Amino acid sequence: AQKITQTQPGMFVQEKEAVTLDCTYDTSDPSYGLFWYKQPSSGEMIFLIYQGSYDQQNATEGRYSLNFQKARKSANLVISASQLGDSAMYFCAMRELLSGGYNKLIFGAGTRLAVHP
Amino acid sequence: DGGITQSPKYLFRKEGQNVTLSCEQNLNHDAMYWYRQDPGQGLRLIYYSQIVNDFQKGDIAEGYSVSREKKESFPLTVTSAQKNPTAFYLCASSIGSGGEGSNEQFFGPGTRLTVL
Repeated sequence: AQKITQTQPGMFVQEKEAVTLDCTYDTSDPSYGLFWYKQPSSGEMIFLIYQGSYDQQNATEGRYSLNFQKARKSANLVISASQLGDSAMYFCAMRELLSGGYNKLIFGAGTRLAVHP
Repeated sequence: DGGITQSPKYLFRKEGQNVTLSCEQNLNHDAMYWYRQDPGQGLRLIYYSQIVNDFQKGDIAEGYSVSREKKESFPLTVTSAQKNPTAFYLCASSIGSGGEGSNEQFFGPGTRLTVL
């Protein structure tokens, strides 16, 4: 079965510094997609970044980058120049393909990031 | 503005009552999803639908029901059969099915259900 593991329940970082949030995954599918979402205290899930299993380069979106190491099955999120507004829960997720062309997301347990001034 | 709306934001229910959570999207997305989130945990899939009048059970469908009569609407009913319904419920949508491209899911603001 497919699985996402986030081993860091909580992380602290100083404002303006970079932080890496870990994510490892387990799948036997040759084609898959990996996502990171941010969940602030308001509860909504905000899409941050996507990495396809066949993408040659690591994905980047502004201050977010994904350190994709396929052989190690890891997809760590790197946030550069942390801001106070980055304090939130962060979830790693993997797309699982189902029969009939359906797909669903499998989520990790999340990492709570606290940015200190 | 395009997006997903969920109502109500907070919902209180007595044991034994059915309640329906609303989810509406104006993104013209084909696929819609319902997730449940318990404190300190990730999201778990309840039901999903890729097309009108069709839906599939997710990982924790027992005690829940859905309908998809219109493309933009995907209401979730929490029935009295759901043993522990107190949770945060999130609705999402995406352009379509398949595994090509990002096809990311966009989420609504959520409904927090509390059973008294």
